[in-house]
Amino acid sequence: ETGVTQTPRHLVMGMTNKKSLKCEQHLGHNAMYWYKQSAKKPLELMFVYSLEERVENNSVPSRFSPECPNSSHLFLHLHTLQPEDSALYLCASSALAVDSGNTIYFGEGSWLTVV
Amino acid sequence: SQQGEEDPQALSIQEGENATMNCSYKTSINNLQWYRQNSGRGLVHLILIRSNEREKHSGRLRVTLDTSKKSSSLLITASRAADTASYFCATDAYGGATNKLIFGTGTLLAVQP
Repeated sequence: ETGVTQTPRHLVMGMTNKKSLKCEQHLGHNAMYWYKQSAKKPLELMFVYSLEERVENNSVPSRFSPECPNSSHLFLHLHTLQPEDSALYLCASSALAVDSGNTIYFGEGSWLTVV
Repeated sequence: SQQGEEDPQALSIQEGENATMNCSYKTSINNLQWYRQNSGRGLVHLILIRSNEREKHSGRLRVTLDTSKKSSSLLITASRAADTASYFCATDAYGGATNKLIFGTGTLLAVQP
């Protein structure tokens, strides 16, 4: 139990569906992240939120839409995804995004399969 | 862009042996971290070493850092079957207003009982 909870753990969706991934952290952190992990590729940083403000968007397609309503919750809204978007999506949090040397705490991930 | 690159990509050893994994990176760093990931799970932080440190220990883990060669190594001594996992190095990089961790592709370690 890392203090970062992701739901659902597994999601299968069609290319025309709209779904959301949810992340909640109980660590009192102020920064939250979405990472994408595909087979045999490095972890890709998708979005960074610091104090509920999006401060990083790494050229992620608009079919991925993040939302951070407060410092404890982070969503990733999904719509009209492609099969190549199938991956493990990892949520993480840290004390502050701007602190060098911060440790990032990951959730268990949401396995997404797009059919 | 990818910053850290682990070597080897896969490593298989017997229980009780030591496992050494290497990481190379491209740009200057403030610190380097190692994480572990069990199959299909989230990553767990193992150890952090700062750029002014050369070696750090934590239990059966020993990390070294050579900033002149832009490389780090993770040594796991007296390995156990439970150490089977993927191991990632991560370096910090400043992008805009944030510090962020850039991960490598990882080393898959298999410890045979």
